[in-house]
Amino acid sequence: GAVVSQHPSWVICKSGTSVKIECRSLDFQATTMFWYRQFPKQSLMLMATSNEGSKATYEQGVEKDKFLINHASLTLSTLTVTSAHPEDSSFYICSARGELNTEGQYFGPGTRLTVT
Amino acid sequence: GQNIDQPTEMTATEGAIVQINCTYQTSGFNGLFWYQQHAGEAPTFLSYNVLDGLEEKGRFSSFLSRSKGYSYLLLKELQMKDSASYLCAVMDSNYQLIWGAGTKLIIKP
Repeated sequence: GAVVSQHPSWVICKSGTSVKIECRSLDFQATTMFWYRQFPKQSLMLMATSNEGSKATYEQGVEKDKFLINHASLTLSTLTVTSAHPEDSSFYICSARGELNTEGQYFGPGTRLTVT
Repeated sequence: GQNIDQPTEMTATEGAIVQINCTYQTSGFNGLFWYQQHAGEAPTFLSYNVLDGLEEKGRFSSFLSRSKGYSYLLLKELQMKDSASYLCAVMDSNYQLIWGAGTKLIIKP
């Protein structure tokens, strides 16, 4: 099956710094990738939809200047959390749309971000 | 608006059967997915239904009724490792997934 990787799997950073998370589709081309955030004991929350070669579409309430998304190739999308604050601490999960609509989305393993 | 409803939490006994329901109202329908998510991990794909009826895959089965906007996930011979959250998601007319909040399933010995 299709594999999506994420790096890093966890990161601790100081308040005010920026953190970049990478999402790669390893064995298929992903024209569309998604970024989710999940707080403890809460459901997945879609942050943005990323299409290769174009600007990401952000969900309502998600600051596009704070969460920078770049999808420069068919196998790589990056999420940069700029000027991170403790309230940004969360589990960030990326997914890639399968080549067939019947496949839904393939999820990366997630990145746990802790901002101190 | 678009809406996916599923119970917040369910409890079942090891070895038993449990049914997790999902009702939906979406703009268009291109299939319904069930995902399993263990605590601290990303979701993993369980099933896909686009036509009415029951799809069986080992201990897990998924049912769909498009006219009723209803699906269920049936888990048989429950094992402790089945303790997880189960997410229902519908693909709308734009082929975007609309997610339910998930059902936390607790398995007791």
